[in-house]
Amino acid sequence: DAKTTQPNSMESNEEEPVHLPCNHSTISGTDYIHWYRQLPSQGPEYVIHGLTSNVNNRMASLAIAEDRKSSTLILHRATLRDAAVYYCILRDSGGGSEKLVFGKGMKLTVNP
Amino acid sequence: EAGVVQSPRYKIIEKKQPVAFWCNPISGHNTLYWYRQNLGQGPELLIRYENEEAVDDSQLPKDRFSAERLKGVDSTLKIQPAELGDSAVYLCASSLAPAGNHRQYFGPGTRLTVL
Repeated sequence: DAKTTQPNSMESNEEEPVHLPCNHSTISGTDYIHWYRQLPSQGPEYVIHGLTSNVNNRMASLAIAEDRKSSTLILHRATLRDAAVYYCILRDSGGGSEKLVFGKGMKLTVNP
Repeated sequence: EAGVVQSPRYKIIEKKQPVAFWCNPISGHNTLYWYRQNLGQGPELLIRYENEEAVDDSQLPKDRFSAERLKGVDSTLKIQPAELGDSAVYLCASSLAPAGNHRQYFGPGTRLTVL
C-alpha cells in the first residue's frame, strides 16, 4: 500500500472549522483515500473516503487535490467529541490490498 | 443494526498462560479481520477471513497465535502461550466485501495485559 504522511498532532477550537492534511505523493490511479478516526478506548471509526472528486457526508468533507497527491479532511464545526486520532489511508480499489494499513495517525485536540 | 461485538473487553493474564478473544461481526459481512494495536501505534493486521477461509495470515505469529472462523460467522483468536510482548489491544473488524471502496466496521477491542 502507498504511504501517507500526516502531522503528528493538531489543535483546534470548539465550533471552528478544522482542516486535517494528508500527503500521499505516491498514490496510484486506483487507490481510494480513506479516513478513519479513533476515539479514546474505542476501535477505529470510518469517517469518509473518496477517489477523485470531493466528497461530503454528515461527519465531514474530503477535499482531494487535482493531482491526487494530497487531501484534506474538513470538520466544519469541531466539537469536543471530535477529539481523536485521525488516520489517512490509501486502499487499492483493484483488489489485493483489502487490509487497512494504518500509520501512527494524527492526534486532534479540540479546545473548549 | 448491531455493531461488531467483541469479548472480553479486558483480560489480564500471567505470561505463559493461554488466552482467547471472541468476535461476532455484523450480520451479512463475509470479510472479517483481526488487528493488533500496540500503545501509541495504529492497528496492524494479523489475519483476514473471507467467509471461513483465512486468505491473509502473513502477519500472524503462527508459533503461538491461532484463529478460526467456524461457519463463516463468529471468530476466535487464541494465544498460547502468551508473552509479555503480547500486551496490546486486539481489534476485530468486518466488512461487506474486501474491495478497496468498502468501509470496515471495528469492534471496541479487547485490551490484553500480560504480567
